[in-house]
Parts: sequence; C-alpha cells; structure tokens
Amino acid sequence: AQTVTQSQPEMSVQEAETVTLSCTYDTSENNYYLFWYKQPPSRQMILVIRQEAYKQQNATENRFSVNFQKAAKSFSLKISDSQLGDTAMYFCASIPGYGQNFVFGPGTRLSVLP
Amino acid sequence: GAGVSQSPRYKVTKRGQDVALRCDPISGHVSLYWYRQALGQGPEFLTYFNYEAQQDKSGLPNDRFSAERPEGSISTLTIQRTEQRDSAMYRCASRLGRQGAEQYFGPGTRLTVT
Repeated sequence: AQTVTQSQPEMSVQEAETVTLSCTYDTSENNYYLFWYKQPPSRQMILVIRQEAYKQQNATENRFSVNFQKAAKSFSLKISDSQLGDTAMYFCASIPGYGQNFVFGPGTRLSVLP
Repeated sequence: GAGVSQSPRYKVTKRGQDVALRCDPISGHVSLYWYRQALGQGPEFLTYFNYEAQQDKSGLPNDRFSAERPEGSISTLTIQRTEQRDSAMYRCASRLGRQGAEQYFGPGTRLTVT
C-alpha cells in the first residue's frame, strides 16, 4: 500500500521569497508517478506539477520545481518568487505506474504574506 | 474544452433523505473517481470506474453509499438515508486511461445534512 506524508501542516512566506514544501511517500513499486495539487480558497483542485519516478531530472513548471530524491522517497515542491495568488492548500499525491488509485497527503496550508 | 462538471454545487438535505450527486467528466476520459473531502484535509478516496465498470469501491464508508456510471460517461453517487456525518465536499475527478495520467477535478458538491 502507498502512503504519502506531509509533515508541515502550515507554512508562510513573504511575497517574492522562495519556499519549499515537503512530501515523503512510501511505496513498494518501482514505477510510479508523483503530483502536487494546489487548492486555493475557491477549493478548486489544480494540478501544479507532475513527476515520473523513472526520470532523474526534476520537473519544472515556471516558478514551481520539485526536488525528487527517489532513494529517500522524498518529493518536495519549491515555489520561487512567491505571489499572493500562491496562497492555498498544497497536496502531494502518488499513483503506481499501472495502478489507478491516487493517494493524497494531508496537505500543507501555505500563506503568502504581502 | 469543458472541464469536469458536478451538480448540484450545493445541497442541503434533511437527515434520512436520499441524495444523488452527479459528475460529468471530460469527454474521452476513461477513468472517473469519487472523493470525499473534509475541510482542511486531503481528498479521501471513495470509488472509481474505468468506462462503466466499477473497479474499486473499497473507500465507500458503508452500504448507504453507491455509485454508478452506466454508459461510461456521467456518474452518479447516491447516499441513502443521509446522516449528519455525511456532510462534506464530494469531489469527482476524471483522467485518461494512459499510465501516469493526472486527474482533473470538478468543483465539488458541498453536502450539508441537517
């Protein structure tokens, strides 16, 4: 069974600064995928970034990048040049390669301060 | 194109009544998921379908909950004899059938049982 842990219930960062959100996971699979989703106050769920476990290169999407450490089973999200609109809950999630069940972490509430 | 839609967006019902929540996935998406999400927590898996086949219903809390997707497109989550503890956001997501594909979430239905 997969598990996903986010050890930071809440974080804050000053606008324009950089912040890193932590995520660790546990899986017996060798092929799997990892995701970060953002949930702003509107409560919509928005995909931020996706990483294939077989790729060593860290995924990047504009100001968002990940630090994927496969051996350590760690998948942190770095947000650069934080903006007020980044204020949201952030959920880490995983799915086995041939599986269908997504497992979500408990979330980290990020507040970007002006 | 159109995203995942859910209806109603808000539902208030009296304890003991039945409710039906509808999800209309993105056209062409093979897989459809139902989640329940409490405020400040991550999505909790309920069930999912590939086409019209219900693949896993292990997350349904009890036999008052059921789901169907008879034609492999629109799905309905039904809660019979609602209880106050059923109050939550019910969220639907769909995805392509390919390995590692991300989920696209609907806006959710907020259910309140009084």
